[in-house]
Amino acid sequence: AQSVTQLGSHVSVSEGALVLLRCNYSSSVPPYLFWYVQYPNQGLQLLLKYTSAATLVKGINGFEAEFKKSETSFHLTKPSAHMSDAAEYFCAVSGGSQGNLIFGKGTKLSVKP
Amino acid sequence: DSGVTQTPKHLITATGQRVTLRCSPRSGDLSVYWYQQSLDQGLQFLIQYYNGEERAKGNILERFSAQQFPDLHSELNLSSLELGDSALYFCASSRGLSGNTIYFGEGSWLTVV
Repeated sequence: AQSVTQLGSHVSVSEGALVLLRCNYSSSVPPYLFWYVQYPNQGLQLLLKYTSAATLVKGINGFEAEFKKSETSFHLTKPSAHMSDAAEYFCAVSGGSQGNLIFGKGTKLSVKP
Repeated sequence: DSGVTQTPKHLITATGQRVTLRCSPRSGDLSVYWYQQSLDQGLQFLIQYYNGEERAKGNILERFSAQQFPDLHSELNLSSLELGDSALYFCASSRGLSGNTIYFGEGSWLTVV
């Protein structure tokens, strides 16, 4: 069975500060890992995706994530937060043959001026 | 715009009623997924279809059913509705199965009163 744990349901940073959102996964097969962002009253938008081609994955809006197999982690980072980054972020794992995603509970990011 | 279209965007109905949510996947996508998002349960995978056939089942209640039609659009039927079924229901689609990027629609807000 697969699962995802996102540490911290709420993270608050100042504008210009480093963003670090934590995600740990559990999978019995080599996983595909995803980060999605959800802005208020909107659907989920893909930020980035890990498919084993490279352990450091760059996504949209300046975000990146590093796959660490030894730590079963896939943390999301951004060097400098913008006000527009305020949203909820979801980590997801897909490792089954059907491709469906299993999501973590999400982390709400607040950015203070 | 992800290319996944969901209707209706908002729906208010009474307990005990039945509703149908409709989804048109991105052009060329064969796989359709349904997810439920609620405050207490987070994002829950309900069911997946691939080219008209059911491929994976998640936490879908027996009162709920879905199908994918020959033109690849999908419908999620919710019956004997309860207050607890109030949630945001997402449809998503992907080209194929394992490892494919999954694109989400804007969701259908269901309120049961």
